[in-house]
Amino acid sequence: DVKVTQSSRYLVKRTGEKVFLECVQDMDHENMFWYRQDPGLGLRLIYFSYDVKMKEKGDIPEGYSVSREKKERFSLILESASTNQTSMYLCASLGQASYNEQFFGPGTRLTVL
Amino acid sequence: KQEVTQIPAALSVPEGENLVLNCSFTDSAIYNLQWFRQDPGKGLTSLLLIQSSQREQTSGRLNASLDKSSGRSTLYIAASQPGDSATYLCAVRSLGRLYFGRGTQLTVWP
Repeated sequence: DVKVTQSSRYLVKRTGEKVFLECVQDMDHENMFWYRQDPGLGLRLIYFSYDVKMKEKGDIPEGYSVSREKKERFSLILESASTNQTSMYLCASLGQASYNEQFFGPGTRLTVL
Repeated sequence: KQEVTQIPAALSVPEGENLVLNCSFTDSAIYNLQWFRQDPGKGLTSLLLIQSSQREQTSGRLNASLDKSSGRSTLYIAASQPGDSATYLCAVRSLGRLYFGRGTQLTVWP
């Protein structure tokens, strides 16, 4: 069974704090993704990575950074959390082949006060 | 830029009905198309994947079709059940990433 795990289901942080969201996959997938999901706005891509130490900006990278030091782990970093970053964050992984499905983690509900 | 649209945004049907969810995309140069299900407060669960060379895929009561040239896919759910209530999202894979529609929120009432 493919497993994508995220470090926390719920997280509460204060404005200005540095926040780390961790994602780990066990399928040896090359590609990993971070999305945020907000009511009425759908799923929006923040960053993705197609290889270790490689990263690409998605549609809304502002205010975020990422790190991929190992193939199985992809971290999302909020350098200075703000209230407009309160959201559901979803991590996903994807293999290279056309028959590969994208698999998602359970999500982290982040609240910034 | 690829854009994915899902119609309708919401659907409410009685148990037992057969129903169709629609997905359209603007750029036909896709690698594959995937349908997902999302329950409230949860992550997305993959339902079906259709490769660009395929026309349809089936899994149990679900059947997904793909017409790449017209930029359309449909998800057919047979004999709907209350447990099918969820949001259904389609996504196309192109240029190394997936592009998502905003989903169809389905409610099946007993």
